[in-house]
Amino acid sequence: GDSVTQMEGPVTLSEEAFLTINCTYTATGYPSLFWYVQYPGEGLQLLLKATKADDKGSNKGFEATYRKETTSFHLEKGSVQVSDSAVYFCALIDGTSGTYKYIFGTGTRLKVLA
Amino acid sequence: EAGVTQFPSHSVIEKGQTVTLRCDPISGHDNLYWYRRVMGKEIKFLLHFVKESKQDESGMPNNRFLAERTGGTYSTLKVQPAELEDSGVYFCASSRTQGMTEAFFGQGTRLTVV
Repeated sequence: GDSVTQMEGPVTLSEEAFLTINCTYTATGYPSLFWYVQYPGEGLQLLLKATKADDKGSNKGFEATYRKETTSFHLEKGSVQVSDSAVYFCALIDGTSGTYKYIFGTGTRLKVLA
Repeated sequence: EAGVTQFPSHSVIEKGQTVTLRCDPISGHDNLYWYRRVMGKEIKFLLHFVKESKQDESGMPNNRFLAERTGGTYSTLKVQPAELEDSGVYFCASSRTQGMTEAFFGQGTRLTVV
């Protein structure tokens, strides 16, 4: 079945460091890919998405490119801030089976130190 | 526009007791989803309503879980009797349409069974 694999956390960085959180997927069809973020005490928020190969999603300085050849959707940010500390979830929706439910990764906790 | 609202935000119950979680989706969203994250693991799909009908309940773990969406508005998820392994964060999400589009998530209900 479909699956999403994320790098294990936690990830601890200093402010202004470069961030990469790896995400790879397995899917039957051609999924849409998402990154969600959960800040402390809050719900899941959509960070960015990409719906087809080579699409780049971007938001709040974060970027991720849909790479079909490597089945990857790595999240990057050039300069992290303390306020980026959160748990990041990679996810896909693959409608091949006729249902449109999210398949999530395990989440990666990011801690940014001042 | 109000977001997805979940109640309660936290619940601590004893093994064998009953707990009912509630989700109020965004107004006009016919699609309502329940997901669960057990400690440190991925967020897993439980079920999907379209209006008041269960479209997909393949993720429901066992018959101790009962979800309803009477009238196609808010939904409840009842766990009876609760077991220790039911502890986790239960997320509700809603979307206007089905498909490869994003859903909007609530803040989650943290359930602890002791």
